[in-house]
Amino acid sequence: ETGVTQSPTHLIKTRGQQVTLRCSSQSGHNTVSWYQQALGQGPQFIFQYYREEENGRGNFPPRFSGLQFPNYSSELNVNALELDDSALYLCASSTPTGGDEQFFGPGTRLTVL
Amino acid sequence: QQQVKQSPQSLIVQKGGIPIINCAYENTAFDYFPWYQQFPGKGPALLIAIRPDVSEKKEGRFTISFNKSAKQFSLHIMDSQPGDSATYFCAASKSLARGKLQFGAGTQVVVTP
Repeated sequence: ETGVTQSPTHLIKTRGQQVTLRCSSQSGHNTVSWYQQALGQGPQFIFQYYREEENGRGNFPPRFSGLQFPNYSSELNVNALELDDSALYLCASSTPTGGDEQFFGPGTRLTVL
Repeated sequence: QQQVKQSPQSLIVQKGGIPIINCAYENTAFDYFPWYQQFPGKGPALLIAIRPDVSEKKEGRFTISFNKSAKQFSLHIMDSQPGDSATYFCAASKSLARGKLQFGAGTQVVVTP
């Protein structure tokens, strides 16, 4: 059983650019949630995808968007990057039959200059 | 606003000591309370979780105490070891928002030899 994987590991962008982060969910998990973790803070819920549809969103602007594919992998897209978008972006997968337990990937460290 | 408040921000104990981390919440709809452990450069890993129908849960050296009336819960690490040095996060979610965790700000625990 493979765990949650994310790519890339690190990324450096400049303000105003766009970025796409990728996540492969744990085998058999059809729900993917994305979180933003600023340095020294707890993760903040961005949004969740279930069966290729957005299933809830946290307090993030529309320039944060996502996709889920038929194989349950997911992308997080951020447009018009701002300096405050610098953070560790975490993906977590789960399954409706697995209760509330979520399994996190190692994250993508995004730096916006 | 932060829906889960965590304290202390940091903690130093000697090997064998019992670090205690406290969390408080306001939303009575929360019904799932996990604790996550995070090492530098890694994603959070689930340690132990509790639901409001029990007041205590133990898994290995980790114990959660839950006080429903006070809307507080805490993590105790028994016989702490230097390998337990990490950042610990409490979190909460509700049955109508499965997989959408609200995290505390984190507690950095250092266990000295």
